[in-house]
Amino acid sequence: GAVVSQHPSRVICKSGTSVKIECRSLDFQATTMFWYRQFPKQSLMLMATSNEGSKATYEQGVEKDKFLINHASLTLSTLTVTSAHPEDSSFYICSARAPGGGFNYGYTFGSGTRLTVV
Amino acid sequence: KQEVTQIPAALSVPEGENLVLNCSFTDSAIYNLQWFRQDPGKGLTSLLLIQSSQREQTSGRLNASLDKSSGRSTLYIAASQPGDSATYLCAVSPGNQFYFGTGTSLTVIP
Repeated sequence: GAVVSQHPSRVICKSGTSVKIECRSLDFQATTMFWYRQFPKQSLMLMATSNEGSKATYEQGVEKDKFLINHASLTLSTLTVTSAHPEDSSFYICSARAPGGGFNYGYTFGSGTRLTVV
Repeated sequence: KQEVTQIPAALSVPEGENLVLNCSFTDSAIYNLQWFRQDPGKGLTSLLLIQSSQREQTSGRLNASLDKSSGRSTLYIAASQPGDSATYLCAVSPGNQFYFGTGTSLTVIP
């Protein structure tokens, strides 16, 4: 089946630094990828939709200058958390629509990245 | 805006018991509903996908049902095992994204 690889799985960084998270679709092309965030004891919330070759679409309340998304190829999307602060500590996870897929098909998720900002 | 609710928030059962997890959503205009499993600190594992035209899906000991008109879905787990302990998430998709519930944390006691 379709696999999405996400890296790193866990990262600890100092406040003020930037962190890049990669999301790769293996063996299939993903023109659209999605980035979610999950705070403790809360549900996953969509942050942004990443479109290959164009600007990402951000959900209301998500700062586009803080969470930089690049989708430069059909198999790779990156999320960079710039000038990270402790409140950015969260679980970030990407997903892509399975190949062949229209809206009636499911999505494949990466394994997630646990970001801790100290 | 779509809201997804899962009940109960936590559940603890002895091994071997059958159990039902509930999911409800407010907007019935969905393309599909998907049940996921999430282990602590890990990503999501897709369990079952039900398309809007379907009523249920089965995989092994798992059975998921969907009643789109009433905005409800259930995940039935038969003969539970300690390895089933995890958080179970349901998510509905209107087409372009998922709306997730807050999950049910399941503990199966040996």
